[in-house]
Amino acid sequence: NAGVTQTPKFQVLKTGQSMTLQCAQDMNHNSMYWYRQDPGMGLRLIYYSASEGTTDKGEVPNGYNVSRLNKREFSLRLESAAPSQTSVYFCASSGPLDSSPLHFGNGTRLTVT
Amino acid sequence: AQTVTQSQPEMSVQEAETVTLSCTYDTSESDYYLFWYKQPPSRQMILVIRQEAYKQQNATENRFSVNFQKAAKSFSLKISDSQLGDAAMYFCAYKMFSGGYNKLIFGAGTRLAVHP
Repeated sequence: NAGVTQTPKFQVLKTGQSMTLQCAQDMNHNSMYWYRQDPGMGLRLIYYSASEGTTDKGEVPNGYNVSRLNKREFSLRLESAAPSQTSVYFCASSGPLDSSPLHFGNGTRLTVT
Repeated sequence: AQTVTQSQPEMSVQEAETVTLSCTYDTSESDYYLFWYKQPPSRQMILVIRQEAYKQQNATENRFSVNFQKAAKSFSLKISDSQLGDAAMYFCAYKMFSGGYNKLIFGAGTRLAVHP
């Protein structure tokens, strides 16, 4: 049972380049999330999606776009990468109950030079 | 706005001893959920324990237990009989419901070192 799968695991970009982080879950969850993790700041929500076809902004959405391609997949795109976007990115999904925890992927370490 | 505060950036404990990690949160809601996640050096986020706010009984999972004080908005994690494998970052998280979405708000984390 794979759970939440993120690709790639590591990425280095130059300022101004673009890239898409891929995420897929096989737990039939409706809710999916993108977080970024920075030292001393915990995890901060970038975007979330309650179901296929819906997305909404989280705490730090600037510089990012998302696509909920289908129920399984939720991608995060950086159109023009900036050094401030150097971070570890986590995708997560959640079951339907209020008590359902978030299940996380293993993260993508992104460095923008 | 809901916030989660972990006031201890780093903690250390001797193997086999007990350690308590602190967490406080701010909310005006009466019904919510609280979680502790562990992040070892592998970077994986692992659910340690969860607590429903409407339950007065403190949650327990093997060597991990919580001290949930709803009035004080406090949710501390106690690790008993600490093991070397417990060394990790620990994140406290509050689950909020907004517009049909369930979102997790995280604290900044506590790095736990375990000494043999």
